[in-house]
Amino acid sequence: AQKITQTQPGMFVQEKEAVTLDCTYDTSDPSYGLFWYKQPSSGEMIFLIYQGSYDQQNATEGRYSLNFQKARKSANLVISASQLGDSAMYFCAMRFVTGNQFYFGTGTSLTVIP
Amino acid sequence: KAGVTQTPRYLIKTRGQQVTLSCSPISGHRSVSWYQQTPGQGLQFLFEYFSETQRNKGNFPGRFSGRQFSNSRSEMNVSTLELGDSALYLCASSPDGVGTEAFFGQGTRLTVV
Repeated sequence: AQKITQTQPGMFVQEKEAVTLDCTYDTSDPSYGLFWYKQPSSGEMIFLIYQGSYDQQNATEGRYSLNFQKARKSANLVISASQLGDSAMYFCAMRFVTGNQFYFGTGTSLTVIP
Repeated sequence: KAGVTQTPRYLIKTRGQQVTLSCSPISGHRSVSWYQQTPGQGLQFLFEYFSETQRNKGNFPGRFSGRQFSNSRSEMNVSTLELGDSALYLCASSPDGVGTEAFFGQGTRLTVV
């Protein structure tokens, strides 16, 4: 069965500091993609970053980087230099080449403190 | 390039009524999938349409249905509304349903009273 686990319901970080949001996954399928989305209180899911299971290097997008450890089945999101606007829910998700639905974690609520 | 557009943004309906939600994907994207988000159940997959055909369906009752038009716009319909259908409904747009691109709309917040 496919499963995404986010063990941190809530996180706090000081403005301008870096923060790591944890995500582990479980699958026996060798081909998959891992996504991180940000959901502010408005509800929209904003795409942040993508990592393919065969990608050799960790993905980076601006202040976001994905720490991909395939053997440990983890895909942690690192946000550098946190900003007040980063306060939101963050969801880790997985999708497969053989299918097309997302499997989501339960999310982590991040609060950036001035 | 316009993003994913969902209409309406907010809806209030009475138990027993039916509702139709709309999703216009990014131009060129042929896959549209729908998700229900509730505080208790999180994000759950409803169904996915690709080139007007339903390709995949989640574990929801038959009251939930959808369709996709030739211009890739999609609608989902919920009949005989129940209080438990109150949720944020999100649609996701992608070129083919797999791969690196998947963008969500702002969602439709449905309240059933």
